[in-house]
Amino acid sequence: DGGITQSPKYLFRKEGQNVTLSCEQNLNHDAMYWYRQDPGQGLRLIYYSQIVNDFQKGDIAEGYSVSREKKESFPLTVTSAQKNPTAFYLCASSIVAGNNEQFFGPGTRLTVL
Amino acid sequence: AQKVTQAQTEISVVEKEDVTLDCVYETRDTTYYLFWYKQPPSGELVFLIRRNSFDEQNEISGRYSWNFQKSTSSFNFTITASQVVDSAVYFCALSEASNAGNMLTFGGGTRLMVKP
Repeated sequence: DGGITQSPKYLFRKEGQNVTLSCEQNLNHDAMYWYRQDPGQGLRLIYYSQIVNDFQKGDIAEGYSVSREKKESFPLTVTSAQKNPTAFYLCASSIVAGNNEQFFGPGTRLTVL
Repeated sequence: AQKVTQAQTEISVVEKEDVTLDCVYETRDTTYYLFWYKQPPSGELVFLIRRNSFDEQNEISGRYSWNFQKSTSSFNFTITASQVVDSAVYFCALSEASNAGNMLTFGGGTRLMVKP
């Protein structure tokens, strides 16, 4: 089945630690996205990538980093510089052209202890 | 700058009632796309509909219908004869054609609770 997988589903981190969230897609989509969702709020864009080895900052990129070494993979690292990292993180992918819909993964819930 | 507003943060209805979720958007582009997504308790966003700015025809899909009115910059979503399984958070989103990155701007979401 084609789709997007994210791992882990739940992640706990101590303050000061970096953590990496995984996102893999087998939809052959060029574009991939990372969003952050806080309780009772909408989604905010962290980073996006339209092509391998290229990515752009979204609205709230500070304290986060990404890489895009393969078309299928777009991992997100939450660094210790992110002051309030506890949130629900969603990865998405889409066809680049034509403002098509984005398809979402199941999400990773990150909690900082 | 683009903006999406979902003024209803939470709606509660009894099963079989009809319910309308409001979405108002702002954009300077003449070509844009509007979307609705459903987020059930599991957390994953499920795509429901995509509509471009040149197509103002209303759309119906089973118990779901969408009313797009450019004159009021609204793209409202109606569920007819609601069911408990419709309970979820619903998001409206906007993508501008001038946006090369296909980025979505989301509204804050409306939590719908359908009681038996």
